[in-house]
Amino acid sequence: AQSVTQLGSHVSVSEGALVLLRCNYSSSVPPYLFWYVQYPNQGLQLLLKYTSAATLVKGINGFEAEFKKSETSFHLTKPSAHMSDAAEYFCAVTTTEGGLRFGAGTRLTVKP
Amino acid sequence: NAGVTQTPKFQVLKTGQSMTLQCAQDMNHEYMSWYRQDPGMGLRLIHYSVGAGITDQGEVPNGYNVSRSTTEDFPLRLLSAAPSQTSVYFCASRARGGPGANVLTFGAGSRLTVL
Repeated sequence: AQSVTQLGSHVSVSEGALVLLRCNYSSSVPPYLFWYVQYPNQGLQLLLKYTSAATLVKGINGFEAEFKKSETSFHLTKPSAHMSDAAEYFCAVTTTEGGLRFGAGTRLTVKP
Repeated sequence: NAGVTQTPKFQVLKTGQSMTLQCAQDMNHEYMSWYRQDPGMGLRLIHYSVGAGITDQGEVPNGYNVSRSTTEDFPLRLLSAAPSQTSVYFCASRARGGPGANVLTFGAGSRLTVL
């Protein structure tokens, strides 16, 4: 079965600092991996996806993630945090049934 | 292009009442699904459908029914609401193939409270 673990339910950074949100996955088949962002009282919006092409994936709003098979990781990074990045972030992996299995989420707070 | 539309946005029910959450998409997506979001648990799959007339259970199907009579609509029914079904519900759809395959498009969510 496929699963995702997000390390850290809350992450707080200062504006301009590096953002690092951690995601580890487990999958019995080559995975497709995703990061979604959820702003307050909204649905989920795709940030970026890994579908077995380049291991370093660039997404919207300056975010990127690197697929590391040896570490079963897909961590999300952004070099310089902005106040508008405050949101909840979800890592997800495709399942054999064709859906997505989500991690528990990481709430990012950006301090001025 | 409206994407995925969910109604209602908010609903309060009493224990034992029934209701239907509506979901419609105008992108001709074959795959549709329902998730519930609870604090600290991420999103969990309730039911999904790979096409009209076909539905299947996800991780947490108990207490919920679905049907898929058309490609566009995928309603979620609560037959006898329980307080444990208090949650935010999201409908999501995706294309079967092409560049959009595996990328779910989400609705804005429906917040349900069961008293």
